[in-house]
Amino acid sequence: EVQLVESGGGLIQPGGSLRLSCAASGFTVSSNFMSWFRQAPGKGLEWVSLISSGPSTYYADSVKGRFAISRDNSKNTLYLQMNSLRAEDTAVYYCARVKYYYDSSIRRDYFDYWGQGTLVTVSS
Amino acid sequence: DIQLTQSPSFLSASVGDRVTITCRASQGISSYLAWYQQKPRKAPKLLIYAASTLQSGVPSRFSGSGSGTEFTLTISSLQPEDFATYYCQQLNSYPVTFGPGTKVDIK
Repeated sequence: EVQLVESGGGLIQPGGSLRLSCAASGFTVSSNFMSWFRQAPGKGLEWVSLISSGPSTYYADSVKGRFAISRDNSKNTLYLQMNSLRAEDTAVYYCARVKYYYDSSIRRDYFDYWGQGTLVTVSS
Repeated sequence: DIQLTQSPSFLSASVGDRVTITCRASQGISSYLAWYQQKPRKAPKLLIYAASTLQSGVPSRFSGSGSGTEFTLTISSLQPEDFATYYCQQLNSYPVTFGPGTKVDIK
């Protein structure tokens, strides 16, 4: 059974750093594309970052230069290192497995399994 | 970025009702659209991708259609467990974006 479990959220002051973890089971993180999303209180879903099965990483403009996605293959775990945190980063953060198909030679991504989320609150 | 709008934003319905939610894209995205269901304090659940392909394990009362800029999610006979918020997501290009959601509530 595929399962994703996030951890590492909490209350952090503006300018601080936090590392989120996403422990996977039922599949191998290193063989899959993985992504992070967030959802601010009472708001919709926002894509944050993606890591390919190779070394490629991608970020939303709102977090580029501040956040870093990575994985530890030996622990089958995905991470999101968040630096220089701002109040507007307050949200529930979800990890998700990426599924894709090719159409017109372009990869089309959707997200088939999600974790339960971890809350990050940036406040003084 | 591609913007998605959904209508209605809120829908009140009864068990057994046929429900239709519309998602519109700010530019043509062919059939590159997915639908998710989210219940309070839970993770999103994938229902449909490629506009009309039902994810494995999702009940057949859910269906999707559309292409270009207009898409619909239909629930043929609303069940008690279907009361939730529904989001569309475009697969056309990064950053992938989501609609603002449609909350389906009990009448």
